[in-house]
Amino acid sequence: AQSVTQPDIHITVSEGASLELRCNYSYGATPYLFWYVQSPGQGLQLLLKYFSGDTLVQGIKGFEAEFKRSQSSFNLRKPSVHWSDAAEYFCAVGMDTGRRALTFGSGTRLQVQP
Amino acid sequence: DTGVSQDPRHKITKRGQNVTFRCDPISEHNRLYWYRQTLGQGPEFLTYFQNEAQLEKSRLLSDRFSAERPKGSFSTLEIQRTEQGDSAMYLCASSGAGVTEAFFGQGTRLTVV
Repeated sequence: AQSVTQPDIHITVSEGASLELRCNYSYGATPYLFWYVQSPGQGLQLLLKYFSGDTLVQGIKGFEAEFKRSQSSFNLRKPSVHWSDAAEYFCAVGMDTGRRALTFGSGTRLQVQP
Repeated sequence: DTGVSQDPRHKITKRGQNVTFRCDPISEHNRLYWYRQTLGQGPEFLTYFQNEAQLEKSRLLSDRFSAERPKGSFSTLEIQRTEQGDSAMYLCASSGAGVTEAFFGQGTRLTVV
């Protein structure tokens, strides 16, 4: 069965600082990988996705993520964090066949200090 | 296209009552998913429809839960005899044929008192 681990429950960074959120997955084949962001009381917005090809993917709002097969990781990065980035971030893995439902990590809450 | 729409956004109900939630997916998306999210956790898969067929149900979906998707358009999720443990955010998502990324609605926040 597939699983996703986000080791950091809560991260605080200063505005303008760089950010890296960690994600490790367990899956028997090449996974489809996603990062979603959720503001309080809201649904999930897709930031970026990896299906195949270039292992460095660009997303919305200046985010990027790098797929490293050898480390089973898909870490999310942003060079300069803005106060509006404060939210909960979820990494998810999906299958490329069948129902294609996603398995989510437990999330990382990002706080941004002025 | 206004995205995935869920109704109501919030529902407070007394223990033992039945509740029903509605999800309108993005038009022409043939795949529809229900997830449940409890506080401090990521969403957990509940059930999946392809068109009108319910193809999979999670073990999380007890016999008090039922979901339908008549005519392959909107979907409803009903919880009978609600329990306090049912309090959660219920999220609906949809995706198109051949596409894996899912688009989520705003969710329905259920509180059972």
